[in-house]
Amino acid sequence: EPEVTQTPSHQVTQMGQEVILRCVPISNHLYFYWYRQILGQKVEFLVSFYNNEISEKSEIFDDQFSVERPDGSNFTLKIRSTKLEDSAMYFCASSDAGRINSNQPQHFGDGTRLSIL
Amino acid sequence: AQTVTQSQPEMSVQEAETVTLSCTYDTSENNYYLFWYKQPPSRQMILVIRQEAYKQQNATENRFSVNFQKAAKSFSLKISDSQLGDTAMYFCAHLHTNAGGTSYGKLTFGQGTILTVHP
Repeated sequence: EPEVTQTPSHQVTQMGQEVILRCVPISNHLYFYWYRQILGQKVEFLVSFYNNEISEKSEIFDDQFSVERPDGSNFTLKIRSTKLEDSAMYFCASSDAGRINSNQPQHFGDGTRLSIL
Repeated sequence: AQTVTQSQPEMSVQEAETVTLSCTYDTSENNYYLFWYKQPPSRQMILVIRQEAYKQQNATENRFSVNFQKAAKSFSLKISDSQLGDTAMYFCAHLHTNAGGTSYGKLTFGQGTILTVHP
């Protein structure tokens, strides 16, 4: 069964540094998402992406964050200047349809654990 | 704004027994999807079951079933014949739609319930 893959599985970065988290969505999917889960807390929506632009973003997704689909397969999340509070598990997800009458759920990757020192 | 509430931080059950995890939500939408996701210690997010709000029939997936009460905005998960591998964090989630009834897929999650299955 096709999977969403995320790299790296664990990223350790100094505060203030830029970090890029990478995701390869399922190949025929058109909708892409990033979520964040701070340790011990619930999963929070960051951003959705469709047709090469952001569809929706949360208040967490401020100017320090950006997303990009640089080629036909990768979907990246960049944090420009990391802060201690950015330490979390970051999940990428993809779906092949966004309409509510679709029966297709979002498929999640295994996540990237980001640790800011 | 949509909210999802799971009032049980932790639950435990004996192997082979049945357990029910609670979830309530708040939304102004008439049509939407609800999901239960499982997150084992490995931290993956695994879809367990989904329910379409316009369907009155409760979804069932093998040992997993839901009790969907639309008027009460309640969406509980029942796990029958619990197995050790069911030990995980379980998240209830609501799929957001926009005014046109389409969705770009924003999931709103509850706080999660840690389920421990004891041998």
